[in-house]
Amino acid sequence: EADIYQTPRYLVIGTGKKITLECSQTMGHDKMYWYQQDPGMELHLIHYSYGVNSTEKGDLSSESTVSRIRTEHFPLTLESARPSHTSQYLCASSLRTGGHGYTFGSGTRLTVV
Amino acid sequence: GQQVMQIPQYQHVQEGEDFTTYCNSSTTLSNIQWYKQRPGGHPVFLIQLVKSGEVKKQKRLTFQFGEAKKNSSLHITATQTTDVGTYFCADVDNYGQNFVFGPGTRLSVLP
Repeated sequence: EADIYQTPRYLVIGTGKKITLECSQTMGHDKMYWYQQDPGMELHLIHYSYGVNSTEKGDLSSESTVSRIRTEHFPLTLESARPSHTSQYLCASSLRTGGHGYTFGSGTRLTVV
Repeated sequence: GQQVMQIPQYQHVQEGEDFTTYCNSSTTLSNIQWYKQRPGGHPVFLIQLVKSGEVKKQKRLTFQFGEAKKNSSLHITATQTTDVGTYFCADVDNYGQNFVFGPGTRLSVLP
């Protein structure tokens, strides 16, 4: 079944640690996105990609980085986690052509202590 | 940059009552998408509207795009507890590439 997967689902980590949040999709979507969302709050776009080797920063300034070496894989990395990074991170994908809804993953809830 | 706005921010209704949330933008709306996010869940795509005056229905949900493409609305008839969640609208950005999400309307339904 085509879907989008995020791991881990929950992560508690100490300040200063390096972390990578994984996102993979099996739908062959060209476009992929990372959003940051505090519980019940707005969705903030932090990174997006239109395809392999394409990465762009979103509207919300973020200290994270992303890579897109394979179509299906779009990991997000924090080199040095801080308590201010505590949030939910949602990955999404869509077809390149306009007019298609985004498919979201279940998210990673990150807590930095 | 482009801003998508939604009202109300919160809505509490008694089960069985109707509910409406409105979406508008600082610019003319282009392609409107609606999403639902259950508490603790992730946004799920509901529908897309592209034509002026378009009306689409999904069971108790009615989606409408204003004639002048200045606003869009989502109306739920006879709410149920399963309708609880945050409803987001999104409009395509000025470059026609990504969708810009509104802040959402949080609906709670009292049994």
